[in-house]
Amino acid sequence: GAGVSQSPSNKVTEKGKDVELRCDPISGHTALYWYRQSLGQGLEFLIYFQGNSAPDKSGLPSDRFSAERTGGSVSTLTIQRTQQEDSAVYLCASSLEGTGHYGYTFGSGTRLTVV
Amino acid sequence: GENVEQHPSTLSVQEGDSAVIKCTYSDSASNYFPWYKQELGKRPQLIIDIRSNVGEKKDQRIAVTLNKTAKHFSLHITETQPEDSAVYFCAASEYSGAGSYQLTFGKGTKLSVIP
Repeated sequence: GAGVSQSPSNKVTEKGKDVELRCDPISGHTALYWYRQSLGQGLEFLIYFQGNSAPDKSGLPSDRFSAERTGGSVSTLTIQRTQQEDSAVYLCASSLEGTGHYGYTFGSGTRLTVV
Repeated sequence: GENVEQHPSTLSVQEGDSAVIKCTYSDSASNYFPWYKQELGKRPQLIIDIRSNVGEKKDQRIAVTLNKTAKHFSLHITETQPEDSAVYFCAASEYSGAGSYQLTFGKGTKLSVIP
């Protein structure tokens, strides 16, 4: 597609429920990133996928968080047993990797509210 | 790993004045430095970037300078307008091996342009 698509745009869930957030990157972009942004805060790195390499999961805050990327395209971020502190905007970004670095293109994010 | 410090965290300027945001980085191997603008409730968007083989880049009212020796780079906005009000993030690219690059972001600067 023309841009990075994320769904849903908004998600309200009850504490303890599981949620799945979806990211559809720009076609041909081999790198995909997930970030979390709490209200008024910066960009917290969560996980990074690059081609067929093992993902860099170093930013995941707990084992309740996991992500997968199927077929090198669409990615799903799953949060199990959600807690109120998980409330934030979850941003996905993709990038064209090559011999050097290129800027990220961000999606519009999923605003997650845990009540 | 890379560490990026960004200052100031908030900045208020009168319309028409200039604004300068500064960032420092720790990894001398970093070679790509983008800047993102995030308007309230919207996604971060790339506004300008610079690579390590140049010292300055301009695009209309915005410019970025890079001092590799001192490991710092700056964003300059001239003739500021109310629509420049946003949060600005700097970033530095870190090579993480196997053709993979990741951006490390600063914590952001909230710029307010007062009409």
